[in-house]
Amino acid sequence: QKEVEQDPGPLSVPEGAIVSLNCTYSNSAFQYFMWYRQYSRKGPELLMYTYSSGNKEDGRFTAQVDKSSKYISLFIRDSQPSDSATYLCAMSAGSGAGSYQLTFGKGTKLSVIP
Amino acid sequence: NAGVTQTPKFQVLKTGQSMTLQCAQDMNHNSMYWYRQDPGMGLRLIYYSASEGTTDKGEVPNGYNVSRLNKREFSLRLESAAPSQTSVYFCASTGGLLNNEQFFGPGTRLTVL
Repeated sequence: QKEVEQDPGPLSVPEGAIVSLNCTYSNSAFQYFMWYRQYSRKGPELLMYTYSSGNKEDGRFTAQVDKSSKYISLFIRDSQPSDSATYLCAMSAGSGAGSYQLTFGKGTKLSVIP
Repeated sequence: NAGVTQTPKFQVLKTGQSMTLQCAQDMNHNSMYWYRQDPGMGLRLIYYSASEGTTDKGEVPNGYNVSRLNKREFSLRLESAAPSQTSVYFCASTGGLLNNEQFFGPGTRLTVL
């Protein structure tokens, strides 16, 4: 079993839909949870960052972490064609000084159709 | 600020040739990373450097070497390229207020024939 599992999709939704993206993980040591967005032929960029369990909202984006279930989600409300990208979840157990190795999911490719 | 820059953007090599991928960051970050991204495999860590003067292996280090030239620059070398090394290579750095936020470069698309 991979440490982080993510459905690669592709996922296609109409403009305005609510999108739900998910990852499961097996490593109980993970405490930092991130969602990266990667447009075609570009490098990933950080979209959301959450520490431990709970919800975090930023505009149309909401990140949820349920450590008891080892499950994280990203919700996109009122999806736009500009949200079409690959979304990668990433996790880390690191804290303090030193390196911060991330373990990435394989990414879910999302297309928002006008 | 340019952030993380990578050169070259594209490269085609023949099997057995060598090359060095260059990466530089201007954010005064301590840690730098090299990843490869392949279809269906996601991002896999090749090597990382926690701080200037240190380097460590990641998940897939075989066939690669790295050099942390100074705090800004971290290079990845392929000594004898193989077709299995055809991939998109990303450099990243971290060290800001959110120490887990990795900033990525635009990538180098490498094809080995």
